[in-house]
This record gives sequence, structure tokens and C-alpha cells, in this order.
Amino acid sequence: DAKTTQPNSMESNEEEPVHLPCNHSTISGTDYIHWYRQLPSQGPEYVIHGLTSNVNNRMASLAIAEDRKSSTLILHRATLRDAAVYYCILIDSNYQLIWGAGTKLIIKP
Amino acid sequence: NAGVTQTPKFQVLKTGQSMTLQCAQDMNHNSMYWYRQDPGMGLRLIYYSASEGTTDKGEVPNGYNVSRLNKREFSLRLESAAPSQTSVYFCASTIHSQYEQYFGPGTRLTVT
Repeated sequence: DAKTTQPNSMESNEEEPVHLPCNHSTISGTDYIHWYRQLPSQGPEYVIHGLTSNVNNRMASLAIAEDRKSSTLILHRATLRDAAVYYCILIDSNYQLIWGAGTKLIIKP
Repeated sequence: NAGVTQTPKFQVLKTGQSMTLQCAQDMNHNSMYWYRQDPGMGLRLIYYSASEGTTDKGEVPNGYNVSRLNKREFSLRLESAAPSQTSVYFCASTIHSQYEQYFGPGTRLTVT
């Protein structure tokens, strides 16, 4: 199963952009890249996903490397409510997916 | 829409007891999942149901059984609970495996 690696934690200042990296060097051609976040004591929340092209939505942007071996989640203007654990996962057509430990994002006021 | 609901929210079991965790979604989603999350860890897939009438094992299926009762409901059963099954259990659903998953609030299970 394809796996992802992320930094354990990152810090950012409020109202500044945040770039969260993810490496997935064993990704296959049909794996989708998904990002979720989890606030304390809550279930995960979908953020964004993509296959090959960069993607934007109201929450974030996803930049995917040309070789697809890495991706970056971009929060354009972090707020205190964005403090959470962010997970980068790969989903294949067989429904199998592996969640790593994620990146704990700390936002400093 | 309620989204994904789970019952109960909390449960304490003694070793060897059995119980069923219930999950329901009202979004007409085809696929449903059961995960567990241990402290400080990511989620691990226990079982999934790609569509009504089908179920398949995930990464950590031992000690669990599932039933896809209908399109809305997907239950997880612990036949003989063990302390190693102490965890937070999340149910999720999606219209298709490669689209976003919607999660329930979780069930916190403690086995003593």
C-alpha cells in the first residue's frame, strides 16, 4: 500500500500562509491524494483532494508535484481555528488507504 | 441532514463482553467505512462496504465483524471485547471511494 510521510508538527503565525508538505514517493498512477484535518476530540474533516492538477477550494489549495511524488497543502491565511492535525492520505481504486500520524499545526496569535 | 451519526458516544465494556456500534448516514452514499484511532495515531481502517450488500476487510479486521444492513446503515460488532480494542471508533461514508469521506463524531470505547 502506498504510504505518505509528513512532518510531525509545524508552527505558523496567525493570518500568514501555511504550507504543509507531504511525500508519497510510492504513489501509483491511479491513487488520489486526499487531505483531511482533525480538530481535538472531533472526527476528521475533508479539506481537499486531487489527482494530477493543482486544486483550489474555499478552504485551501493543493499543489501536486509534476512527478506526483509529493504534494503541498496551502492555507492562504491561517486563523486560530485552523489549528488541527492535518493528514495526507492516498486512496486507490480498491478502497484501501493508509493514514499516517499527520502534521500537528500550531497557530501562534 | 444529520450527515453521519454514531451510537453510542461512549461505552465501557468488561473483557469478553460483546457490543455493536451503530452508524447511519442520510446522504445516499454508496460506500461506508469503520476506522479506529488510538491516542496520537492516525486512523486505521477496520472494514469497509463499497456498496450495499458487500463488505471487505481493511488493515485491522481481527476481532471485529460488520453488517451493511441497508444503504443507510453499517454496524460494527465486537464479539468478545479485549483491552487492546480500547480506542475511538469512527464511521465514515462517501458517494465513491475516491471522493471525500464524511465522518461521524466517534464512539469512545474502553475495555477493562
